[in-house]
Amino acid sequence: DQQVKQNSPSLSVQEGRISILNCDYTNSMFDYFLWYKKYPAEGPTFLISISSIKDKNEDGRFTVFLNKSAKHLSLHIVPSQPGDSAVYFCAAAGSARQLTFGSGTQLTVLP
Amino acid sequence: EAGVAQSPRYKIIEKRQSVAFWCNPISGHATLYWYQQILGQGPKLLIQFQNNGVVDDSQLPKDRFSAERLKGVDSTLKIQPAKLEDSAVYLCASSFLRAGHGYTFGSGTRLTVV
Repeated sequence: DQQVKQNSPSLSVQEGRISILNCDYTNSMFDYFLWYKKYPAEGPTFLISISSIKDKNEDGRFTVFLNKSAKHLSLHIVPSQPGDSAVYFCAAAGSARQLTFGSGTQLTVLP
Repeated sequence: EAGVAQSPRYKIIEKRQSVAFWCNPISGHATLYWYQQILGQGPKLLIQFQNNGVVDDSQLPKDRFSAERLKGVDSTLKIQPAKLEDSAVYLCASSFLRAGHGYTFGSGTRLTVV
């Protein structure tokens, strides 16, 4: 039972364009959502988060949007850079503050 | 600040052997997690510690996996005996409180069971 789903295993975009990564969740008890970035042979690193009381959070080139009614969140990267090429994991947390992860999306930014 | 330290980085063992992984969290971080990441999947929580007590080990296969966090600092995760399906990256993470926000992960231990 996958409570957090990332349906696109991979995404390729041109440098300078927008990257949009999507994530869906099923558990309505989740109230905190995060995106992690992972390079090969490294652990995931925290990128950006959003609380369920908000619908948007922005940090530099990264913006996360939350649509609670659709149980959907997305990560926008503008402009995309080659160094952004990595696996991006969506994660969600409830009151126990344990993270449930999606299966990841491999982003490739082409120069 | 120093990050989460894990060792070894890589381990290859034969099935039915035993193996242990070590994790040293960020100083002062009370909460420590062990995650298993199978290739092509997201990390899956195995066990969560708060100081030296277990908060949640509901997803830990207790017939073969064990973990401890003596003195509330570093932690070890053991598999005995290992199965082929245990091949994965084992990630340790720590956080200041049971906050969830911004877990810091170690680089992981890649286990291959042959």
